[in-house]
Amino acid sequence: EVQLVESGGGLVKPGGSLRLSCAASGFTFSSYNMNWVRQAPGKGLEWVSSISTSRSYIYYADSLKGRITISRDNAKNSLYLQMSSLRAEDTAVYYCARATPDYFDFWGQGTLVTVSS
Amino acid sequence: DIQMTQSPSSLSASVGDRVTITCRASQGITNSLAWYQQKPGKAPNLLLYAASRLESGVPSRFSGSGSGTDYTLTISSLQPEDFATYYCQQYYSNPLTFGGGTKVEIK
Repeated sequence: EVQLVESGGGLVKPGGSLRLSCAASGFTFSSYNMNWVRQAPGKGLEWVSSISTSRSYIYYADSLKGRITISRDNAKNSLYLQMSSLRAEDTAVYYCARATPDYFDFWGQGTLVTVSS
Repeated sequence: DIQMTQSPSSLSASVGDRVTITCRASQGITNSLAWYQQKPGKAPNLLLYAASRLESGVPSRFSGSGSGTDYTLTISSLQPEDFATYYCQQYYSNPLTFGGGTKVEIK
C-alpha cells in the first residue's frame, strides 16, 4: 500500500524557518517524481515544487522561489521542503504528492504550517 | 503561466442528477489535464488524467472530455458520496496549475 506521511509542520513566527519531511513507503520511491502542493485555509490547491527522480529537474512556484528548497533522499525514501523567510500568507496545509509523471496519483494527509506572531 | 478557470465555482444538485464542471485553460494543453475530488479535511483524490482516462478504482459515473483549451468533468448520476470539491490541474507545462475548484453541494 502506497503511503506518504508528512511531518514537520507547526507554528512559526514571521521570518522563521521550517523543514517539512515526507516519508514514503509501499512503492519504489526512486522511480517517481515528487511534489509539494499547499492549500491555505478555505482556499484552493497551489503547486509549490517538484523534484525529479534523480534530482536533475527541480521547479518552484514563483510565489516561493528563493525562500524554499526541495530535496529528496532516495536511500531513505524521503522528500523534504526547507522553507525560510516565512510569511503569514504561507500558512497552509502542505501536501506531499507522488507524480506520474506530472499529475498526482497519491497524496499524503498533509501537515499544517501556521505563520503567526 | 497557464491559467485554469473552472466553472461554476459552486453548484447545488440532487442525488441522481447529471453534473458537469468545466475547466478552461489560457492556452492549449493537449489533454494534459487531471481532475481531483477533495472532501473536507482530506487530501485530494485523483479521478481522471489525460483528460478522459479514469484512474483505477474510480467509479464509471465519472467521465472526462475535451480538447485544446476546454475540458469537462461529468458525473452521470450524482451519489451521496460525490458531494465534495473538484479541481482540475494542467500538467502541460511548468508551473503546474490548478483551477479554483467547484464545490458540489446538496440541493
